[in-house]
Amino acid sequence: GQQLNQSPQSMFIQEGEDVSMNCTSSSIFNTWLWYKQDPGEGPVLLIALYKAGELTSNGRLTAQFGITRKDSFLNISASIPSDVGIYFCAAQNYGGSQGNLIFGKGTKLSVKP
Amino acid sequence: NAGVTQTPKFQVLKTGQSMTLQCAQDMNHNSMYWYRQDPGMGLRLIYYSASEGTTDKGEVPNGYNVSRLNKREFSLRLESAAPSQTSVYFCASSGGTSGGPNTGELFFGEGSRLTVL
Repeated sequence: GQQLNQSPQSMFIQEGEDVSMNCTSSSIFNTWLWYKQDPGEGPVLLIALYKAGELTSNGRLTAQFGITRKDSFLNISASIPSDVGIYFCAAQNYGGSQGNLIFGKGTKLSVKP
Repeated sequence: NAGVTQTPKFQVLKTGQSMTLQCAQDMNHNSMYWYRQDPGMGLRLIYYSASEGTTDKGEVPNGYNVSRLNKREFSLRLESAAPSQTSVYFCASSGGTSGGPNTGELFFGEGSRLTVL
């Protein structure tokens, strides 16, 4: 079946650092989304992308929909402690079945000891 | 606003016991979902309901049943719990009141942590 390969699996951040993560697939999608999950909570939508090549920002977060429609990346600038959590990419074909949204396995952000 | 509410938040079962996880949303969404989250596995879809009166299997439906009781409520039932069903379960909803195209924007509950001994 379709899979999303998300990397890195985990990373440590120091306050003020920039963070990058990405998601790739062998399949084409026309919708890419990024969710964040805080500890003990459900995921919350950060950014949704609906057009190949689209670059969208939400505060310190920037996400891009790859031109090939097979990948997306998320950047966090000047990280702060509340950025810790698990970030999930998700993808589907817009307008398709409600059951065809798939998720990556997540990138876990932790604070450097 | 309550959004998506799940009960219970924690549950411990013995192998073979049954239980139902309840979910309700107050956003008048058409679609509802049940996911399970396991370490290193991300979120996997168990069942979904595109609209009131319909339910469909997701990626990992075995061992589960669902009921879309009305537009607000979507329950997940484990008839005979197994240790492999130890997981965190999330209910989600999506879809505007007009039933427009699926945008992928889901609203999740806080999760139900289930342990099967």
